[in-house]
Amino acid sequence: KNEVEQSPQNLTAQEGEFITINCSYSVGISALHWLQQHPGGGIVSLFMLSSGKKKHGRLIATINIQEKHSSLHITASHPRDSAVYICAVTSYGKLTFGQGTILTVHP
Amino acid sequence: GAVVSQHPSRVICKSGTSVKIECRSLDFQATTMFWYRQFPKQSLMLMATSNEGSKATYEQGVEKDKFLINHASLTLSTLTVTSAHPEDSSFYICSARGRRGLGNEQFFGPGTRLTVL
Repeated sequence: KNEVEQSPQNLTAQEGEFITINCSYSVGISALHWLQQHPGGGIVSLFMLSSGKKKHGRLIATINIQEKHSSLHITASHPRDSAVYICAVTSYGKLTFGQGTILTVHP
Repeated sequence: GAVVSQHPSRVICKSGTSVKIECRSLDFQATTMFWYRQFPKQSLMLMATSNEGSKATYEQGVEKDKFLINHASLTLSTLTVTSAHPEDSSFYICSARGRRGLGNEQFFGPGTRLTVL
């Protein structure tokens, strides 16, 4: 079993829909990251959080340390949100990555 | 947020040649830099961790003589793929972690796509 599991692996949505991507982890962490990778390959860090909730524009990330679970929400999704979303955890100074969720938002 | 650049963004080379990839932190001092590789449709795999002024720490299975890493300054790390072969074709990504003020966050470069013919 991977230390970081994401679900779903693939997600298709219509423009405007509310989207949730889940991440569960099994190790002790000091931080959890949500990353976005566009088809060109470059990675953008969306959030780093260790507790609670963070919001940036249409993106919201939450984490429940007791349950070892985090969610990334996208409100009013748009085709430009189409990308791979990666959950990663920092444990003992190293990042461990989930397999990623491929999000496709259709107009 | 902090900015990390990589150069080149894309490189095609012949088998047997060496390729150098640069990773720079543009607006902060990176005490630690990480090098990852990513195969198509797979997650990032950590290759090595380098701290400024010291030797890189390689992950198990990564050949240190093939993937030479130099972190000579607080803003620059280089990865040299020596005697590249087609199986080295991959997407190489660096990330950088700064001093205490930037906390635990890693900032990612845009990646370098290496194709070895």
